[in-house]
Amino acid sequence: SYVLTQPPSVSVAPGQTARITCGGDNIGSKNVHWYQQRPGQAPVLVVYDDSDRPSGIPERFSGSNSGNTATLTISRVEAGDEADYYCQVWDSGSDHYVFGTGTKVTVL
Amino acid sequence: QVQLVQSGAEVTKPGSSVKVSCKASGGTFNSYAINWVRQAPGQRLEWMGGIIPIFGSTSNTQKFQGRVTITADESTSTAYMELSSLVSEDTAVYYCARDPSGTLGGTGYFDSWGQGTLVTISS
Repeated sequence: SYVLTQPPSVSVAPGQTARITCGGDNIGSKNVHWYQQRPGQAPVLVVYDDSDRPSGIPERFSGSNSGNTATLTISRVEAGDEADYYCQVWDSGSDHYVFGTGTKVTVL
Repeated sequence: QVQLVQSGAEVTKPGSSVKVSCKASGGTFNSYAINWVRQAPGQRLEWMGGIIPIFGSTSNTQKFQGRVTITADESTSTAYMELSSLVSEDTAVYYCARDPSGTLGGTGYFDSWGQGTLVTISS
C-alpha cells in the first residue's frame, strides 16, 4: 500500500515560517491534502488539492507538491498553530484514503 | 455547511461489538460519501472504510475486512459503523468524515468531521 512519511516534529519561533514535508513515491502525481489537529479535537482541513485553502483558513497556510515531496508551509507562525499536521492522499491503486505519519508543530 | 454529530463514548469488553452513529445536518445526505477514520492513542489517523448512502455501496480496508459493517439510514441522515470481535488494540477515537463528492475518493479529501467517539475496550 502507498506510504506517506512525515518528520515527527518541527519547532518554530513565533513569526517565523514552518515547513512540513510529506514524502511518497511520485507524490507529485497525486492530489495532497493537509489537516490540522489540535489536542483533543477533530482534524480540520487546511489545504486541499496541493495548494487550495478552504474558506476560513488563513492565507498563512499554503502548500506545494512536486516529485516525491509535498510541503505545507505556515507563514508568520502563531501560538495557535501548535498542533499535529497530517498529509493525506487518495491512492487509486488500492482505492484507499491514506494518511501520513503526522508532524507535531511546536511553537517555541 | 454540513455538521456531523456522533454518538457518545463507549466502554465495552473484549470480544464484543460496538456501533457508533454519525448524524448529518445541512447539505443533502445522499450527495456525499461518509467515511470512518480512527485514531488510537498517540497514533496517526487511519481510514477504515466508507459508504455512499444513495447507493448503499461500501468499501473498507483489508485490515478490518470481516469485522467492520458500515451502513446508512437516509430517512434520518445517519451513518453507522459497527466493529465486532473487539480487542484492546481497538481502543481509539473513531471519527466520521465527509468526502463532499458522491463517490469514495471522489474529491479525495474530508471537509467535515464529526467530533469523535472514544471507544475503550476493557475487561
